Amino acid sequence: GAVVSQHPSRVICKSGTSVKIECRSLDFQATTMFWYRQFPKQSLMLMATSNEGSKATYEQGVEKDKFLINHASLTLSTLTVTSAHPEDSSFYICSASGTADTEAFFGQGTRLTVV
Amino acid sequence: KQEVTQIPAALSVPEGENLVLNCSFTDSAIYNLQWFRQDPGKGLTSLLLIQSSQREQTSGRLNASLDKSSGRSTLYIAASQPGDSATYLCAVRLSDMRFGAGTRLTVKP
Repeated sequence: GAVVSQHPSRVICKSGTSVKIECRSLDFQATTMFWYRQFPKQSLMLMATSNEGSKATYEQGVEKDKFLINHASLTLSTLTVTSAHPEDSSFYICSASGTADTEAFFGQGTRLTVV
Repeated sequence: KQEVTQIPAALSVPEGENLVLNCSFTDSAIYNLQWFRQDPGKGLTSLLLIQSSQREQTSGRLNASLDKSSGRSTLYIAASQPGDSATYLCAVRLSDMRFGAGTRLTVKP
């Protein structure tokens, strides 16, 4: 299957700083990318849907000014957690697909710890 | 908003048993449904993808079925093994992609 590369895999940052997570589709053009957050022992919660060249659609309860999503090209989307706090510590996973009806491929995930 | 439900939440079986995991969704206008496996502390491993026009997909000991009109999918695991122990997640795709809460499977030797 296609490859989606997510970096970094782990990051520890200080409270109040910002962290950027990258999600790249290595061998296909990703029209749509999804960002998820997963707390321990819980399922993946959709944070936002991002279509290339458009503003991301955020889920209810997800602060768009805190979780900045950029999808400026067909191979790269970034999630920036601004002014991170300990409660933002979580596992963040991205997903990419070519078109709406094609398979979505997932990155390896980023474990964010805010201290 | 699409809602995805998985039953049971947890399942423990002895090795060798055949088992069925269930997934239901509220909006039948989906493009496809995927089943994933997640090991503790790890990312997702895609198991099977069923397009909306398909009824089932098979891979090895796994068989997934889809009844779009009733909003249901099942994942059948034959001859379960301890290595099958993991959390199994289903996800449905429309303009977004939403996951169920998962079924935590334990296969005892």
